[in-house]
Amino acid sequence: EAGVAQSPRYKIIEKRQSVAFWCNPISGHATLYWYQQILGQGPKLLIQFQNNGVVDDSQLPKDRFSAERLKGVDSTLKIQPAKLEDSAVYLCASSADRSTEAFFGQGTRLTVV
Amino acid sequence: QQPVQSPQAVILREGEDAVINCSSSKALYSVHWYRQKHGEAPVFLMILLKGGEQKGHDKISASFNEKKQQSSLYLTASQLSYSGTYFCGTESQINDKIIFGKGTRLHILP
Repeated sequence: EAGVAQSPRYKIIEKRQSVAFWCNPISGHATLYWYQQILGQGPKLLIQFQNNGVVDDSQLPKDRFSAERLKGVDSTLKIQPAKLEDSAVYLCASSADRSTEAFFGQGTRLTVV
Repeated sequence: QQPVQSPQAVILREGEDAVINCSSSKALYSVHWYRQKHGEAPVFLMILLKGGEQKGHDKISASFNEKKQQSSLYLTASQLSYSGTYFCGTESQINDKIIFGKGTRLHILP
């Protein structure tokens, strides 16, 4: 079974630039999550989708972050404009349903300089 | 409300036992445990869905005390492969978002 695919693996941008991350979840998984993990901390949920609808985005900085999940499959997370404090690993995860085992992708390590 | 994990870090020799605790100030519906190795994605260990539930596989088990709003992860006869950071994630009600703790770093020495 293919796992959760994310790209790119690494990205370095200057502050105020924009960046986009892509996630392809495990086939058939209805729930998709985007997490931000700052070095030395636990993953922080940014947004949770159920199929193509948003379940929770309470911790998403909506003035600069946006995410979409078209057709309930792939998802993209965008940051515009980026700030230095956005430097982190962005993890995408999927699960068959809510409150079940989540499978994480390898993540995208973002460095904002 | 972020769950509190203790201890923050543990160093053990291979074959020793470890206990990692996770506590919340809110009533819990479920507790999720993950292990993350350096530079890798978190890997699922187990979910505890009922108060008082205990689960385990191999030599890793966990308990969930619903009344005390806490869970503990037990690693018995630790192996080198157990090294990593352990995160608990808590859910305050069914289908709520999962909030992760700051993690417990476990290092196993040969």
